[in-house]
Amino acid sequence: GQNIDQPTEMTATEGAIVQINCTYQTSGFNGLFWYQQHAGEAPTFLSYNVLDGLEEKGRFSSFLSRSKGYSYLLLKELQMKDSASYLCAVRGGYQKVTFGTGTKLQVIP
Amino acid sequence: KAGVTQTPRYLIKTRGQQVTLSCSPISGHRSVSWYQQTPGQGLQFLFEYFSETQRNKGNFPGRFSGRQFSNSRSEMNVSTLELGDSALYLCASSLTGGDRVGYTFGSGTRLTVV
Repeated sequence: GQNIDQPTEMTATEGAIVQINCTYQTSGFNGLFWYQQHAGEAPTFLSYNVLDGLEEKGRFSSFLSRSKGYSYLLLKELQMKDSASYLCAVRGGYQKVTFGTGTKLQVIP
Repeated sequence: KAGVTQTPRYLIKTRGQQVTLSCSPISGHRSVSWYQQTPGQGLQFLFEYFSETQRNKGNFPGRFSGRQFSNSRSEMNVSTLELGDSALYLCASSLTGGDRVGYTFGSGTRLTVV
């Protein structure tokens, strides 16, 4: 089966940097996704990692270590609009995608 | 191009009834997945369809079923509704299910069982 752990909530200050961690245990591994979900809205795709290392996309970066079953999402220059839930999702065997319960990020002035 | 369309947006049903939810994926996408989202449990995987075949299934009871048509549109059905089935049901589409770009989600159907 698959097990994904993320912190439930985090708070960070506007303009700062925040790192949201995700650890996973999975049978088979075919990639890890990060999604952003604003309250009352559908999740939207942020990033995808399948090889070890850092993927950078503007203010957002995502890191993966397959040997450690670990990923993080790094958000730089935080803006108020970044207040949302961030979902880590792992694609395991047979392309099945399992989501973590999400990390609710609150950005404060 | 049009996004993922889910209908209806909101639904209120009574215990014991059954309900059918619909999802039209992005044109050309052949993989459709369904998720149940509740505040306490997050996104729980229901099932995935690819080319009209169920490819993956989550750990939900047999009351939850689905199907996919030749045009890739998908429906999910919940029979004998229970209060605990109240949730946001999200449909997600992708080209093959194995893409780098991940899923595109619909806006969901919010089901309330009373």
